[in-house]
Amino acid sequence: KAGVTQTPRYLIKTRGQQVTLSCSPISGHRSVSWYQQTPGQGLQFLFEYFSETQRNKGNFPGRFSGRQFSNSRSEMNVSTLELGDSALYLCASSLEGGRGNEKLFFGSGTQLSVL
Amino acid sequence: EDQVTQSPEALRLQEGESSSLNCSYTVSGLRGLFWYRQDPGKGPEFLFTLYSAGEEKEKERLKATLTKKESFLHITAPKPEDSATYLCAVRPGGTASKLTFGTGTRLQVTL
Repeated sequence: KAGVTQTPRYLIKTRGQQVTLSCSPISGHRSVSWYQQTPGQGLQFLFEYFSETQRNKGNFPGRFSGRQFSNSRSEMNVSTLELGDSALYLCASSLEGGRGNEKLFFGSGTQLSVL
Repeated sequence: EDQVTQSPEALRLQEGESSSLNCSYTVSGLRGLFWYRQDPGKGPEFLFTLYSAGEEKEKERLKATLTKKESFLHITAPKPEDSATYLCAVRPGGTASKLTFGTGTRLQVTL
């Protein structure tokens, strides 16, 4: 079974630009979450989608947005990039329902550098 | 607000030298405590889920335990390939899949 796939693997952007990151979850997984990882803050929750609906959102500005498609694939968008947005963006998917299905499976991430 | 604190931040062991990593947490209605391993340039890899105080899980040289306030990841006779960052995370009660992570323990195992 294929794992969580994130594209692109690396991105370099300049301040003020916008960026879209893509995530394909494990087949059969309907929940997709996004996390930002930086050396100082660790992993911080951005948002979670389940069946095309945003179910939970972290404490990030409105410049960070996401969506989920009917096939469970997800995208996140960051508009008006700032230097502080440089980070590893991780996507994770999970099954739903019942004990034992709570664990998240992570992709390898998209490393975003904002210059 | 859910909080997770991991200690130590970094740990250097010699091969075969056993030790423990600590994860202290506060969460509203624990639905699960998770341990992950992360190698440089990769996403976290799932190790264990613990659900209630007193529970233990083992995998090769790793053993995770849980109390009402903390979890320990015991590493027995580590090898260099166990070098990685170990992350602890908690999931609160409810339907959302949000995990709160600690900042991790960077483990280096030398020959």
